[in-house]
Amino acid sequence: DAKTTQPPSMDCAEGRAANLPCNHSTISGNEYVYWYRQIHSQGPQYIIHGLKNNETNEMASLIITEDRKSSTLILPHATLRDTAVYYCIVRGGADGLTFGKGTHLIIQP
Amino acid sequence: GAVVSQHPSWVICKSGTSVKIECRSLDFQATTMFWYRQFPKQSLMLMATSNEGSKATYEQGVEKDKFLINHASLTLSTLTVTSAHPEDSSFYICSARSWGEETQYFGPGTRLLVL
Repeated sequence: DAKTTQPPSMDCAEGRAANLPCNHSTISGNEYVYWYRQIHSQGPQYIIHGLKNNETNEMASLIITEDRKSSTLILPHATLRDTAVYYCIVRGGADGLTFGKGTHLIIQP
Repeated sequence: GAVVSQHPSWVICKSGTSVKIECRSLDFQATTMFWYRQFPKQSLMLMATSNEGSKATYEQGVEKDKFLINHASLTLSTLTVTSAHPEDSSFYICSARSWGEETQYFGPGTRLLVL
């Protein structure tokens, strides 16, 4: 699976959109981009995933660049409950996930 | 949908005893389950992969005789930490996926403290 690079931490004001970047310049054509988040002392929560096209669900939007070398997870209206570590993971098969250090997103009141 | 549970949520045991952790998929059939371990302030590390009815595949450095995994049904996998020692104290998390589906859904985790 391709390696990903994320900023270690980010702040965002409550009510604003939180935009979390991820670089995956070595991604292969059949690899998906997955996003999970882990709130303190809980198991990771699936957020969204995509291959080429932008995706949106009730939790977030995923914007993937045309060359697929980077992506952005967007939480449209961040709340305090969105404070968590966000993991961007690239994978092409059904194997176990390789977690990096992720981005610690802190939502400020 | 896609709910995974774990039991117990936390356990304290004496050194040398064995501890069993259960992972259940509540609303789907999990053909594959994964076990992860997370030490404080670190990321999750994959320990093993188990397919229903087959022997588990362990990651390099994970002792299969110490961490016994059973995946006897499509909704249940168990991880038994045998002869636990203080260094086994960690947060153990399982995930599950159904056949043909690549997305994994995680359980809430089990915190193990070995005294």
